[in-house]
Amino acid sequence: AQKITQTQPGMFVQEKEAVTLDCTYDTSDPSYGLFWYKQPSSGEMIFLIYQGSYDQQNATEGRYSLNFQKARKSANLVISASQLGDSAMYFCAMTSGSADKLIFGTGTRLQVFP
Amino acid sequence: DAGVIQSPRHEVTEMGQEVTLRCKPISGHNSLFWYRQTMMRGLELLIYFNNNVPIDDSGMPEDRFSAKMPNASFSTLKIQPSEPRDSAVYFCASSRQRDQPQHFGDGTRLSIL
Repeated sequence: AQKITQTQPGMFVQEKEAVTLDCTYDTSDPSYGLFWYKQPSSGEMIFLIYQGSYDQQNATEGRYSLNFQKARKSANLVISASQLGDSAMYFCAMTSGSADKLIFGTGTRLQVFP
Repeated sequence: DAGVIQSPRHEVTEMGQEVTLRCKPISGHNSLFWYRQTMMRGLELLIYFNNNVPIDDSGMPEDRFSAKMPNASFSTLKIQPSEPRDSAVYFCASSRQRDQPQHFGDGTRLSIL
């Protein structure tokens, strides 16, 4: 069965610093996709970044990058130059094999302080 | 481009009443997903459609829940009769194809009294 594990319930980071949010995954399928979503206090789910299992390079989107370590089955999100507006819940998720559905982790609440 | 549109944004109703949640996916997206988010269970998939056909409804909690997608631009999730434990935020999401990001609507916050 597929599973996503986020072991950090909460993280604090100072403005302008970088922060890494951890995510490990488990699947027996060789083909899978890894996603990160942001959920601010207003409640909407915002797509941030995607990594395919066959992608050779780590995905980047602006200040977001995904540190993909296939052998360790980890897909950590790195946010550079944190901003106050980055304070939110962050969810790691995956699709696996032929299934389209997203399996979500339990989330990490990030607080950015001045 | 318009995103996924859900209505209503908030719904408060008494137990036993029928509840209908609506979703308009992004134009051109072939897959549509209904998720439920609660504090206890997190985000869980209820059902998803591909090209208007239900593919996986194993997450639908029980027979009180039903979902339809009569055309490519509209889907409904119905709860009848509703119960207090159905209180949650219900999200609709759509994607162009698999391994493409799912884009979420703003959700419907449902409270059953």
